[in-house]
Amino acid sequence: DAGVIQSPRHEVTEMGQEVTLRCKPISGHNSLFWYRQTMMRGLELLIYFNNNVPIDDSGMPEDRFSAKMPNASFSTLKIQPSEPRDSAVYFCASSLGINSGRSRDEQYFGPGTRLTVT
Amino acid sequence: KQEVTQIPAALSVPEGENLVLNCSFTDSAIYNLQWFRQDPGKGLTSLLLIQSSQREQTSGRLNASLDKSSGRSTLYIAASQPGDSATYLCAVTRRSNTGKLIFGQGTTLQVKP
Repeated sequence: DAGVIQSPRHEVTEMGQEVTLRCKPISGHNSLFWYRQTMMRGLELLIYFNNNVPIDDSGMPEDRFSAKMPNASFSTLKIQPSEPRDSAVYFCASSLGINSGRSRDEQYFGPGTRLTVT
Repeated sequence: KQEVTQIPAALSVPEGENLVLNCSFTDSAIYNLQWFRQDPGKGLTSLLLIQSSQREQTSGRLNASLDKSSGRSTLYIAASQPGDSATYLCAVTRRSNTGKLIFGQGTTLQVKP
């Protein structure tokens, strides 16, 4: 399996521009998670989906952030408009499924997208 | 509110040494605890997952223990190697029906040849 795939790996954009991050979870995984990592705050969960349905978006910082999962193999995280404080590494992770017992909870992370907003 | 703390923040040891990384959490009502490894500029790699009903898990030179009542977990690395140099993160989930991981800040390990 190719693992969780994220694109782009690096994104540099100017303040005010729209940014779209993409994620392809591991095939057969039913849960998908978006995280943000910064030096100051560490790793934080932004939102997660189960069976393509958003379950908890309480970590989404502002209305400028939105996430979608139109099907089981694709998700996007969009920031519009972007700001310098959004600069961070954004990770996508997937798991077999929440509420499914033991090892199905184990989360597998993608390589991340390093976002720089100038 | 669940808080996860990892001590020390950084650790440097000579090759071959056995070492222990510590993780503590404030709310013992966890469903599971997961240890990850992160290499510079890379994503996270899952090392071990311990369910709340378990006391420990082992994988090769790694052994993770869990004492839920005291809110502690340790990651033991035997016979450390330079390739073990990375940041180690622990994370807990409160309930199985959330899957929400709460991460510690990590311990950055350097193993010197």
